[in-house]
Amino acid sequence: AQKVTQAQTEISVVEKEDVTLDCVYETRDTTYYLFWYKQPPSGELVFLIRRNSFDEQNEISGRYSWNFQKSTSSFNFTITASQVVDSAVYFCALSVRHPTDSWGKLQFGAGTQVVVTP
Amino acid sequence: NAGVTQTPKFQVLKTGQSMTLQCAQDMNHEYMSWYRQDPGMGLRLIHYSVGAGITDQGEVPNGYNVSRSTTEDFPLRLLSAAPSQTSVYFCASSYRRQNTGELFFGEGSRLTVL
Repeated sequence: AQKVTQAQTEISVVEKEDVTLDCVYETRDTTYYLFWYKQPPSGELVFLIRRNSFDEQNEISGRYSWNFQKSTSSFNFTITASQVVDSAVYFCALSVRHPTDSWGKLQFGAGTQVVVTP
Repeated sequence: NAGVTQTPKFQVLKTGQSMTLQCAQDMNHEYMSWYRQDPGMGLRLIHYSVGAGITDQGEVPNGYNVSRSTTEDFPLRLLSAAPSQTSVYFCASSYRRQNTGELFFGEGSRLTVL
């Protein structure tokens, strides 16, 4: 069975501080995909990134960066120089087997609430 | 661009009542799914469909029925609502073959069962 653990329930920072969200996953499959989604206060879910298990390169997109380490089964997410608009719940998710049949079958973590104050 | 449309956005039911949450997408996505979101538990998959006429159970299917008669629509039925089904429900869709693996979510439907 697959499992995604986001141990941090809530993180509070002051604007311009960096914040790192931890994500630890469990799976026996060798082929899997990891995702991060953002849920702002308005409630919609916004896709941020997908990584596959064969690509351990870190990725940076603006103020967002992701650190994927298979050795520790972690896929951590860092927001650099946080802004108030970053306040949201962030979900890490895992999908296994062939992606064409399983992308919708995401196993989500419990989510981490990020609160950024001015 | 409508994307994924869910109705209603809010609903209050009494225990034992039935209702249908509607989900429609206009992106010609083969894959559609329903999730429920509960505090501290993230999102859990209820049912999913890989195409018209094909449905399957997810992690928490009990108490819910689905059907997929068209590519566009994927309704979720509660036959006899229970307080444990109080939750926020999200419908999502995607192409079966897509490079990003992005799921497109609806805005959610908040259901309260008294």
